[in-house]
Amino acid sequence: SQKIEQNSEALNIQEGKTATLTCNYTNYSPAYLQWYRQDPGRGPVFLLLIRENEKEKRKERLKVTFDTTLKQSLFHITASQPADSATYLCAPAGPGGFKTIFGAGTRLFVKA
Amino acid sequence: SAVISQKPSRDICQRGTSLTIQCQVDSQVTMMFWYRQQPGQSLTLIATANQGSEATYESGFVIDKFPISRPNLTFSTLTVSNMSPEDSSIYLCSVTTYNEGTYNEQFFGPGTRLTVL
Repeated sequence: SQKIEQNSEALNIQEGKTATLTCNYTNYSPAYLQWYRQDPGRGPVFLLLIRENEKEKRKERLKVTFDTTLKQSLFHITASQPADSATYLCAPAGPGGFKTIFGAGTRLFVKA
Repeated sequence: SAVISQKPSRDICQRGTSLTIQCQVDSQVTMMFWYRQQPGQSLTLIATANQGSEATYESGFVIDKFPISRPNLTFSTLTVSNMSPEDSSIYLCSVTTYNEGTYNEQFFGPGTRLTVL
């Protein structure tokens, strides 16, 4: 069955540094992959979508890469700020093409 | 992007009762989904809400427990029936669109926090 793995441990970084979060998937090849931010008690907020024919996508301080050979996506936040502290979810499209499968998420703490 | 609202935002219910959650989108969308997020867990897909027909349920979820309606392209309801404390969770409505042969970004509502006593 399909499996999505994200860093299970929380990531602690200093303000101004680049945060890098990893998402690995197994047993299938998603057509696209999405990243979300989720704050406690709130619904996920869409950040970026990257398709299988795209290697990299950027949006302001955010960058996502998608390596279909390694079956891995990396999510970068440059010049991180304490306001970036949240849980970040990796969500590849399911085998059917649209039933998104969610990773467990990585908790990011940015210290001032 | 789609703007999604859910009602109620939270509720505390007694065991054995039922709660209906409403989801309204500000634009016509192709797909509507219902997810559950139990405390400390990631999101689990309950079902895909199909316009004018029965919802498509994921393994482990059944219509008798989670009846879903979708009368049009912008509205759906999820009912949590005969509730037990194990149903305490955040329930999330989600939508996406499909065009030019591919699915687009998937957006989520703010969620409904349900506590069952």
